[in-house]
Amino acid sequence: DTGVSQDPRHKITKRGQNVTFRCDPISEHNRLYWYRQTLGQGPEFLTYFQNEAQLEKSRLLSDRFSAERPKGSFSTLEIQRTEQGDSAMYLCASIRNTGELFFGEGSRLTVL
Amino acid sequence: SQQGEEDPQALSIQEGENATMNCSYKTSINNLQWYRQNSGRGLVHLILIRSNEREKHSGRLRVTLDTSKKSSSLLITASRAADTASYFCATGPDGLTFGKGTHLIIQP
Repeated sequence: DTGVSQDPRHKITKRGQNVTFRCDPISEHNRLYWYRQTLGQGPEFLTYFQNEAQLEKSRLLSDRFSAERPKGSFSTLEIQRTEQGDSAMYLCASIRNTGELFFGEGSRLTVL
Repeated sequence: SQQGEEDPQALSIQEGENATMNCSYKTSINNLQWYRQNSGRGLVHLILIRSNEREKHSGRLRVTLDTSKKSSSLLITASRAADTASYFCATGPDGLTFGKGTHLIIQP
């Protein structure tokens, strides 16, 4: 059990640029979740995958956001034309079949 | 929208004291979970309690669940400085919805 890893841990970008985050879940977990967290708030659900299928997307996930999980392994979250309001911590988690989420350390995005 | 709401939003106690935080939720649940988050880090799972359970223990943690009141409490006994963190409850039949958390500060 090597844990959930996220890359990069920190990303500073200028408004209008595209950014991509990667998540490698625990290998035997077939569900993967993306959350966004801003300061002082709890994680907010963005989307989740069952293997390679994206099963649910939050209304928070505007058309500038896209997530993929090719071959049901790692996942990427891309934000196009970033805005200052996108500044947040992006958390990835995979889920054990008993229901517990295992989180990565997050990718902190700062949009200048 | 956030299903669970923690109370209080912030709690400061002396090391060695017990810390109690509460969670209220709105709809029926299959289970309720508590997570801890240290500043700038990911969340760590603490304990899961199923809807047919009333109390669960794990080390210095004690969780209760009252489905009739749609509420849960997390008790941390004999607090330590390392317990300083934000604590979140999470509910959901499929995936989890988190509250805003209780920020716990343990003063030495």
